[in-house]
Amino acid sequence: AQTVTQSQPEMSVQEAETVTLSCTYDTSENNYYLFWYKQPPSRQMILVIRQEAYKQQNATENRFSVNFQKAAKSFSLKISDSQLGDTAMYFCAFLDSWGKFQFGAGTQVVVTP
Amino acid sequence: GAGVSQSPSNKVTEKGKDVELRCDPISGHTALYWYRQSLGQGLEFLIYFQGNSAPDKSGLPSDRFSAERTGGSVSTLTIQRTQQEDSAVYLCASSLGPGAYNEQFFGPGTRLTVL
Repeated sequence: AQTVTQSQPEMSVQEAETVTLSCTYDTSENNYYLFWYKQPPSRQMILVIRQEAYKQQNATENRFSVNFQKAAKSFSLKISDSQLGDTAMYFCAFLDSWGKFQFGAGTQVVVTP
Repeated sequence: GAGVSQSPSNKVTEKGKDVELRCDPISGHTALYWYRQSLGQGLEFLIYFQGNSAPDKSGLPSDRFSAERTGGSVSTLTIQRTQQEDSAVYLCASSLGPGAYNEQFFGPGTRLTVL
């Protein structure tokens, strides 16, 4: 079974600064996907970024980038130039080859002016 | 285009009553997933449909939980004899097909409160 661990319950960052969220996972699979989802108070789960395990290049989406360390089973998310609208709960998720998700407990990000 | 919709948005019920939660997936999406999110927790997988079949029911927490999907579209999650520990947000997602390469699109969820 897969497990996903997010060790930071809450992170606070000032506007325009950078924050890094940690995520580690455990799996015996070799081919899988990793995701970061954002969940604002509206409850809508919004895909932030996706990484395919067989790709060594770290995924980047505008101000969001990941540091994927496959051997270490680590998948951290960096939010650069933080904006007030980035305030949300962020979930790291592992997706196996069958399309079944395993989510971490989440990290609440609070962006302050 | 329309995304995944869920109804009701909020549901308050008394312990012991049955509830039905509805999910309308994106048109053309054959795969549909139900998740449960308890307060302060991540999402917990409940059940997955491919078409009208449910190849994976491993996440259903008890036999009080059941789900069906008709016409390869709308799905209903039913909780019988609700308990207070059933209180959570129930999220539905759909994708073009099964497998990890198909992005899952989430609905806004139904917040269930069992008094």
